[in-house]
Amino acid sequence: DAKTTQPPSMDCAEGRAANLPCNHSTISGNEYVYWYRQIHSQGPQYIIHGLKNNETNEMASLIITEDRKSSTLILPHATLRDTAVYYCIVRVNAGNMLTFGGGTRLMVKP
Amino acid sequence: GAVVSQHPSRVICKSGTSVKIECRSLDFQATTMFWYRQFPKKSLMLMATSNEGSKATYEQGVEKDKFLINHASLTLSTLTVTSAHPEDSSFYICSAIPPGTDINYGYTFGSGTRLTVV
Repeated sequence: DAKTTQPPSMDCAEGRAANLPCNHSTISGNEYVYWYRQIHSQGPQYIIHGLKNNETNEMASLIITEDRKSSTLILPHATLRDTAVYYCIVRVNAGNMLTFGGGTRLMVKP
Repeated sequence: GAVVSQHPSRVICKSGTSVKIECRSLDFQATTMFWYRQFPKKSLMLMATSNEGSKATYEQGVEKDKFLINHASLTLSTLTVTSAHPEDSSFYICSAIPPGTDINYGYTFGSGTRLTVV
């Protein structure tokens, strides 16, 4: 599976949009981009995933660049409860396990 | 939705003793479960894949004799840390994929077990 690069930490003001970047320049054509988050002392939680089209669900939006070498997770109106470590994972659809990188520690501040 | 339950959530044990961590799939059967370990401020590292009715598959560098995994039923996998040492202190997390869910986002994680060896 392709490797991802994320900034180690970011701050965001409560109520503002949080934009979390991820670089995956070695992504293959059959690899998807997944985002999970982990709130302190809890198990990871699935957020969203996509292949090449932008995706949106009730939690977030995922913007993937045309060349698919990077993506951005957008939390449109961040709340204090969105404070967590966000993991960007690139993997083949049929893979049977998740490989976590370093993630981005997002701190939402009042 | 599908829930994976871990027990205990926290455990403190003396060096040299063994500790068992349970991972249960509630309301679904899981033929495969995954065990992760996470050190403070570090990412999750896959330790092993637990297979119901057969031996677990361990990742490179993980001692199978130290971290015993038993997946005796379709709803329960256990991880036993044998002869625990302070360096085994960590956050242990299990996950499973409910059948019928998309393997791409169907992973359900337990709430984790924080092990402290003193």
